[in-house]
Amino acid sequence: NAGVMQNPRHLVRRRGQEARLRCSPMKGHSHVYWYRQLPEEGLKFMVYLQKENIIDESGMPKERFSAEFPKEGPSILRIQQVVRGDSAAYFCASSRGTANQPQHFGDGTRLSIL
Amino acid sequence: DQQVKQNSPSLSVQEGRISILNCDYTNSMFDYFLWYKKYPAEGPTFLISISSIKDKNEDGRFTVFLNKSAKHLSLHIVPSQPGDSAVYFCAASAGNSGGSNYKLTFGKGTLLTVNP
Repeated sequence: NAGVMQNPRHLVRRRGQEARLRCSPMKGHSHVYWYRQLPEEGLKFMVYLQKENIIDESGMPKERFSAEFPKEGPSILRIQQVVRGDSAAYFCASSRGTANQPQHFGDGTRLSIL
Repeated sequence: DQQVKQNSPSLSVQEGRISILNCDYTNSMFDYFLWYKKYPAEGPTFLISISSIKDKNEDGRFTVFLNKSAKHLSLHIVPSQPGDSAVYFCAASAGNSGGSNYKLTFGKGTLLTVNP
């Protein structure tokens, strides 16, 4: 499967726990993006990363949220001390470049906070 | 403030007819526009895009039209098929001085139902 791979597909956490969401971009893509979708809403940009670099994290909450894209391995979106309001679908996308290049999305991780 | 608006939450058309999905935007800096299709429990699938230097782009049954003066774009699907039933998202991005335009702003989507 050459598409964007996200895991897990579903993740349940209790308030105060940590959530780790993983994303492997499409082969040949070095640009990774994370988006969040709340119910009945469109996707909202969170962060843009390249290997070992955070390029733009302007859409990410300042506290509890972090993202990385290490030299080896998948990109990770980490949410510490989760709260009910973090319940959402989190989508990862990747692209070959950034100038008029479409982003291709994974199937998302549905995060539920108990 | 919603910069990309899809004012029709839903649209129903008959199989074989044309589907027209509309999208309006407010940010005049947007210069790249995309349409995605999304099935339940799946991620958005890229359909077609258009840059602001064009006013039309066609790919098979899908055509996107851009009217920059009206800040309006539309997606035409013809002929519509039952498998086209999905939520359609319009997205836009603004280029920076380096030429990259990566931050997509999405509308809330339109649910298209194509009836057999």
